[in-house]
Amino acid sequence: DGGITQSPKYLFRKEGQNVTLSCEQNLNHDAMYWYRQDPGQGLRLIYYSQIVNDFQKGDIAEGYSVSREKKESFPLTVTSAQKNPTAFYLCAISDRRNQPQHFGDGTRLSIL
Amino acid sequence: QKEVEQNSGPLSVPEGAIASLNCTYSDRGSQSFFWYRQYSGKSPELIMSIYSNGDKEDGRFTAQLNKASQYVSLLIRDSQPSDSATYLCATRVDGSGNTGKLIFGQGTTLQVKP
Repeated sequence: DGGITQSPKYLFRKEGQNVTLSCEQNLNHDAMYWYRQDPGQGLRLIYYSQIVNDFQKGDIAEGYSVSREKKESFPLTVTSAQKNPTAFYLCAISDRRNQPQHFGDGTRLSIL
Repeated sequence: QKEVEQNSGPLSVPEGAIASLNCTYSDRGSQSFFWYRQYSGKSPELIMSIYSNGDKEDGRFTAQLNKASQYVSLLIRDSQPSDSATYLCATRVDGSGNTGKLIFGQGTTLQVKP
């Protein structure tokens, strides 16, 4: 989506490795979200942030970490503690919490 | 556990027909409802949002909301092969408990046959 950039598009993780997925936005939106999608399933919320320097756990936060040091950036780290990381990771943004969310193009993470 | 339920399909309709996609939800606190379209291998794209009971029309798409029965539906008129995709229903609890969090169904796959 315009204004939301996720990178890389594809990522491979080795056993015991931490990897970081990037989400950047230039729309000056307050709220940012990370979702995970597994094949044939809906999206599940990992973490979300409504303002800079603040974030909350979603439904499946175990094995993941985030930071929100800048308004435009909300990186997601998939740690070695996440034993089943293979999935499609989607970053979403909204102007305010009561506005619709729009998604980036996603990152596909696989295990080597 | 707050849930959003959709029939996974596939729902197959001929080109030019009306496609009807349905979604039920369990949380009566849900106040905002969204339909996203997701093409294979791509990210979801917002196509409709609805906040009050009744119908909301946008081009060939009509969203219908019935809060008393806790269901929301999406009608696609004059279906085209390009409408073939997975349609995700999502709900949100608004008001003082609003965290912006969306609850998604698993999606319904629509196939429009020429």
